[in-house]
Amino acid sequence: NAGVTQTPKFRVLKTGQSMTLLCAQDMNHEYMYWYRQDPGMGLRLIHYSVGEGTTAKGEVPDGYNVSRLKKQNFLLGLESAAPSQTSVYFCASSYHRPSYEQYFGPGTRLTVT
Amino acid sequence: AQSVTQLDSHVSVSEGTPVLLRCNYSSSYSPSLFWYVQHPNKGLQLLLKYTSAATLVKGINGFEAEFKKSETSFHLTKPSAHMSDAAEYFCVVSDQGGATNKLIFGTGTLLAVQP
Repeated sequence: NAGVTQTPKFRVLKTGQSMTLLCAQDMNHEYMYWYRQDPGMGLRLIHYSVGEGTTAKGEVPDGYNVSRLKKQNFLLGLESAAPSQTSVYFCASSYHRPSYEQYFGPGTRLTVT
Repeated sequence: AQSVTQLDSHVSVSEGTPVLLRCNYSSSYSPSLFWYVQHPNKGLQLLLKYTSAATLVKGINGFEAEFKKSETSFHLTKPSAHMSDAAEYFCVVSDQGGATNKLIFGTGTLLAVQP
């Protein structure tokens, strides 16, 4: 099992450009999540999905969109990147019950200049 | 609403000495609590979890944590630190108010281990 994978690992964007981050999991998890990690702030939830075709907003959703067309994939889009979106982005997945741990991908380091 | 507070942003210990990373939580429900570790430039790995079974939880790499409801604490300990324990540690509570398994993260404690 590969677990949770993320592509790309690194990316540099100019302000106003767009991009999509891809998350894939092979554990047949129902739930998937996108977080951003900034120094001194822990991880903050951007968007999440409780099943194929469903998405919902997390704590910091502005400037991001997501889609979950297939159960194993969860895409995070930035339509018009801003320097404030410079961060490390983590994808995670879990089973559909509270108390189940989330499994994290290796992260994508995004810099917006 | 659930929340966690990690009381120390940085902890430094000598190799071979005990480790104590402190975490307090707030929850309206019987909480699920986790400790995750993040080594430099890596993803997050689960150390241990508490889900209303035994209050003393043993995890990987010799770590353990004790759930104390009266103190609303879930401190992480290890008897003897190794150099490989140097990392950032996150205390996390599961938002069980809904059915979405959302996690609320603390701000992290950076553990340094001196030789």
